[in-house]
Amino acid sequence: EAGVTQFPSHSVIEKGQTVTLRCDPISGHDNLYWYRRVMGKEIKFLLHFVKESKQDESGMPNNRFLAERTGGTYSTLKVQPAELEDSGVYFCASSGVTEAFFGQGTRLTVV
Amino acid sequence: AQSVAQPEDQVNVAEGNPLTVKCTYSVSGNPYLFWYVQYPNRGLQFLLKYITGDNLVKGSYGFEAEFNKSQTSFHLKKPSALVSDSALYFCAESGGYQKVTFGTGTKLQVIP
Repeated sequence: EAGVTQFPSHSVIEKGQTVTLRCDPISGHDNLYWYRRVMGKEIKFLLHFVKESKQDESGMPNNRFLAERTGGTYSTLKVQPAELEDSGVYFCASSGVTEAFFGQGTRLTVV
Repeated sequence: AQSVAQPEDQVNVAEGNPLTVKCTYSVSGNPYLFWYVQYPNRGLQFLLKYITGDNLVKGSYGFEAEFNKSQTSFHLKKPSALVSDSALYFCAESGGYQKVTFGTGTKLQVIP
């Protein structure tokens, strides 16, 4: 069974540019989550989809971040325009009725 | 508020010795508690969980954790550490199979 996959694994962009991260959850998982870990700090929740609907987006830092999950399958997280403080590792996770399974993360570096 | 705390930023242990990575929780009701591990350049991997039942939970790679309600703790343990256990360990909780809240992480360094 394929796990949660994230693309790209690394991204280096300049301040002001746009980046789109993608997450493919485990097939059949209705719940999809985005998390972020800024260097040396805790893993922070960003938002939670149930199918294509945003269940909880209380962790989204500001309106430069836009998450979508069209059709309730894969999800994208767009950062536009990127700022230096957006650098970190972005994790995606999915769950059905059991624990969450995480992807390998996307390391985003904004220079 | 529901949360978990990991009081140690780093734990050093000699190979072959028992290891403990500490976690305390403050969750109302019945907590769902988890341990995840992040190896270098890898994603978060699920180690074990406590939902209900036996307080001693066994997980992957020989790890186990003990749920202690009176001390509100869920410490991760392993009887004999391996160098390959060196990684970042996160304690986590959820109020159910919903949003997971993580601790700040503990870096485990196993010294050969």
